[in-house]
Amino acid sequence: DTAVSQTPKYLVTQMGNDKSIKCEQNLGHDTMYWYKQDSKKFLKIMFSYNNKELIINETVPNRFSPKSPDKAHLNLHINSLELGDSAVYFCASRAGDNVQETQYFGPGTRLLVL
Amino acid sequence: GDSVTQMEGPVTLSEEAFLTINCTYTATGYPSLFWYVQYPGEGLQLLLKATKADDKGSNKGFEATYRKETTSFHLEKGSVQVSDSAVYFCALYGSSNTGKLIFGQGTTLQVKP
Repeated sequence: DTAVSQTPKYLVTQMGNDKSIKCEQNLGHDTMYWYKQDSKKFLKIMFSYNNKELIINETVPNRFSPKSPDKAHLNLHINSLELGDSAVYFCASRAGDNVQETQYFGPGTRLLVL
Repeated sequence: GDSVTQMEGPVTLSEEAFLTINCTYTATGYPSLFWYVQYPGEGLQLLLKATKADDKGSNKGFEATYRKETTSFHLEKGSVQVSDSAVYFCALYGSSNTGKLIFGQGTTLQVKP
């Protein structure tokens, strides 16, 4: 009965590789997010989709590309990984009818680029 | 722009001590305010929230009151336990009305037995 799930939980890869992180929510929410948490625990929004449409796109390198095949899924593809991409990436979702509603977070994907 | 400032951590307390983690914000309008908790190795969980001025959010013995006059949302608990050791994040929705959640820098709480 997991609400927001992410795969994989851990990802260790070499610089220059391309990788994807997947997120799924079974809450019936319309809006999904990707956040990045750096080594100092600081959280910053990267992207948001509402019903498969991109609505927030922060200042993120274009090596990062989100894809939403349907409103229950939001994947994050990263090209040409760099050392600075090492972080924890969190997916979240929110009911879409009120922009001030609670966001529910996944368990995170811990990415380490060597 | 909108922002959230939390007290610097880490905060180290003995079990059963009183906890306060300060949070102040800058925003236009009346944003919803949140406290999230992140236990070691886990994702963020909603701890409590308040949606309008003078509202008090509460959960698991934690409380926070939405103070518009002081633009604050301080987190308190009367008696902490070792299991409360975690990182606590204060957050608000930005005034752009796009559903963008803005976080404070997080405060690490360590409770010793």
